[in-house]
Amino acid sequence: GQQLNQSPQSMFIQEGEDVSMNCTSSSIFNTWLWYKQDPGEGPVLLIALYKAGELTSNGRLTAQFGITRKDSFLNISASIPSDVGIYFCHHHSGGSNYKLTFGKGTLLTVNP
Amino acid sequence: GAGVSQTPSNKVTEKGKYVELRCDPISGHTALYWYRQSLGQGPEFLIYFQGTGAADDSGLPNDRFFAVRPEGSVSTLKIQRTERGDSAVYLCASSSITAGDSSNTGELFFGEGSRLTVL
Repeated sequence: GQQLNQSPQSMFIQEGEDVSMNCTSSSIFNTWLWYKQDPGEGPVLLIALYKAGELTSNGRLTAQFGITRKDSFLNISASIPSDVGIYFCHHHSGGSNYKLTFGKGTLLTVNP
Repeated sequence: GAGVSQTPSNKVTEKGKYVELRCDPISGHTALYWYRQSLGQGPEFLIYFQGTGAADDSGLPNDRFFAVRPEGSVSTLKIQRTERGDSAVYLCASSSITAGDSSNTGELFFGEGSRLTVL
C-alpha cells in the first residue's frame, strides 16, 4: 500500500491546550479519514473528509482535506484527559483497486 | 452484539504451531478486512473480502497466512507454522462499501483485535 507520512509521532500536552497533527502523501486521494485508537481497542472513526478543501468539525475536533488532495490536518481544541490515544489518518483512492492505508499514528498524551 | 466481534482476544502459542483467529463482522456488511498492527505502528493491510471472495490478498506476508470467508459473513485468519515475528495485534474491520463504487465513504468499523504472542 501507499505510505502516509503522519506527524508528529507523539505529543505531550497539558490539559486545555490545543493540538494539531497532519498527514501527507505523495499521491492524491478521494477521501481522508481520521481515527482514534484507545489502548486495547480497535480504531474508531472521528471525522471523515470527502472533498478537496473541505473543513469539517465534530465537537472539539476540526479536520481539513487539503486543496491538493495530498494532505489533511486534524485539530483538537481544549484537550481533555480522555483525548489520550493514538490518532491515525487513513485514506482510500476509490475505484475497484484501492488500498486502504493508515499512517503510523500520532500518540497523544494529555497531562491533567 | 452490534459491533465487530473478534475471538480470541488473546492467544499465546509456541513457535511452529497453527493458529486461527475469528472475526464476526457487523451484520449486513459485505466488505471485511484484516489488518496487523505491531507496537508503535499503524494497522497494516493484510486482506480484503467482498462477500465470500478475497478481492485483494496482496498484504498477506507469505504463504503461511491464509484467510477464508465461506459464507460471506464470519471470517477466519489462519496462520501456519507461526514465527515469533508474527506476534502482533490482528484487527478485523467491516464496512458496507462495495468495490468499484466511487461514492463509498470508506469508513471502517473495527473489532477490538486479537493479540497474538508467539513464544
